[in-house]
Amino acid sequence: EVQLVESGGGLVQPGRSLKLSCAASGFTFSNYYMAWVRQAPKKGLEWVATISTSGSRTYYPDSVKGRFTISRDNAKSSLYLQMNSLKSEDTATYYCARQLGYFDYWGQGVMVTVSS
Amino acid sequence: DVQMTQSPYNLAASPGESVSINCKASKSISKYLAWYQQKPGKANKLLIYDGSTLQSGIPSRFSGSGSGTDFTLTIRSLEPEDFGLYYCQQHNEYPFTFGSGTKLEIK
Repeated sequence: EVQLVESGGGLVQPGRSLKLSCAASGFTFSNYYMAWVRQAPKKGLEWVATISTSGSRTYYPDSVKGRFTISRDNAKSSLYLQMNSLKSEDTATYYCARQLGYFDYWGQGVMVTVSS
Repeated sequence: DVQMTQSPYNLAASPGESVSINCKASKSISKYLAWYQQKPGKANKLLIYDGSTLQSGIPSRFSGSGSGTDFTLTIRSLEPEDFGLYYCQQHNEYPFTFGSGTKLEIK
């Protein structure tokens, strides 16, 4: 059974950093692109980052480019999202997802609140 | 960026009825559209990808159609567990973009 479990969320002040983790199990992690998708409170879904199987290629929307960094450790079947220079508009639930273009499996999400 | 316009915003229906949700892309995305269901306390669920391909394990009462810019998700014979939020997403090009969502409620 595919499982994706996010961790590392919490309350952080504007301008500070936070790193999210996603532990994957139930599939060969190194064979899949992986992604982060977020959802602000009472809002829709927004794709945040994608990483290739080896980690050599990464993709971001303009809203987070230069501030967020996606990475992975295939030996640990883990995905990460380093978030720097956080803004109030980054407040959201962050989901880890397995990507085939579309997202076929999602984690339950972790909440990040950016507030002073 | 490809803008995805989803309609209606809200939809109320009774169990046993059929409903349709629409998604329009701002430019052609070929067949590359996915549909998701979101329910509180549960992981988001992929229903349809590539416009009309049913994800494994999803009941056949769900179907997708369309190509280019116009797509539709149809749910026949609604079951109580079908009520929730539905999103479309284009997976043709980066940045991937989602529709604004449709809330399907019990009438």
